[in-house]
Amino acid sequence: QKEVEQDPGPLSVPEGAIVSLNCTYSNSAFQYFMWYRQYSRKGPELLMYTYSSGNKEDGRFTAQVDKSSKYISLFIRDSQPSDSATYLCAMIGGGSQGNLIFGKGTKLSVKP
Amino acid sequence: KAGVTQTPRYLIKTRGQQVTLSCSPISGHRSVSWYQQTPGQGLQFLFEYFSETQRNKGNFPGRFSGRQFSNSRSEMNVSTLELGDSALYLCASSLSGGLPGELFFGEGSRLTVL
Repeated sequence: QKEVEQDPGPLSVPEGAIVSLNCTYSNSAFQYFMWYRQYSRKGPELLMYTYSSGNKEDGRFTAQVDKSSKYISLFIRDSQPSDSATYLCAMIGGGSQGNLIFGKGTKLSVKP
Repeated sequence: KAGVTQTPRYLIKTRGQQVTLSCSPISGHRSVSWYQQTPGQGLQFLFEYFSETQRNKGNFPGRFSGRQFSNSRSEMNVSTLELGDSALYLCASSLSGGLPGELFFGEGSRLTVL
């Protein structure tokens, strides 16, 4: 079992839809949970950051962490074509903060 | 403020050759991490450097190595290239005392091994 599992999609939705992206993880020691967004031919960029359990909202984006279920989610409201990208969940692995364990990413396409 | 710069952006090598990739972090960032991204395995951690010292290493063979210079610039080297080394190699820098797990990535060096 991989430490972080993420459905690779692809996921295609119409503009304005609510998008739900999810990851599961196996290591209960994970405390920091991130969502990175990667546009085609670009490096990933940090989109959302959550520490421990709970919700965090930033504009159209909401990140949820359920540590009891080892499940994290990213919701995108009123999705836009500009949201079309690959979304990667990430957690800090062992040893140092530069060692992130990534999910394989979900490729999202928002159709106008 | 300039972002993370990686060179070269694209390169083609043949099996058995070696390659060196370069990364210039954001000014003031002393930590540099390297990742390999492939369609099959996704993003995988290679190693992290801080103040010229390797702080952490992922599960890659010894053919993969790196170093960091006093100006925080970093290089990674892959020797005796194999077809499976074809990938996007991403460098990321981070700020000491910054948000844990907040990495600033470059656009990557795309390596093709023939």
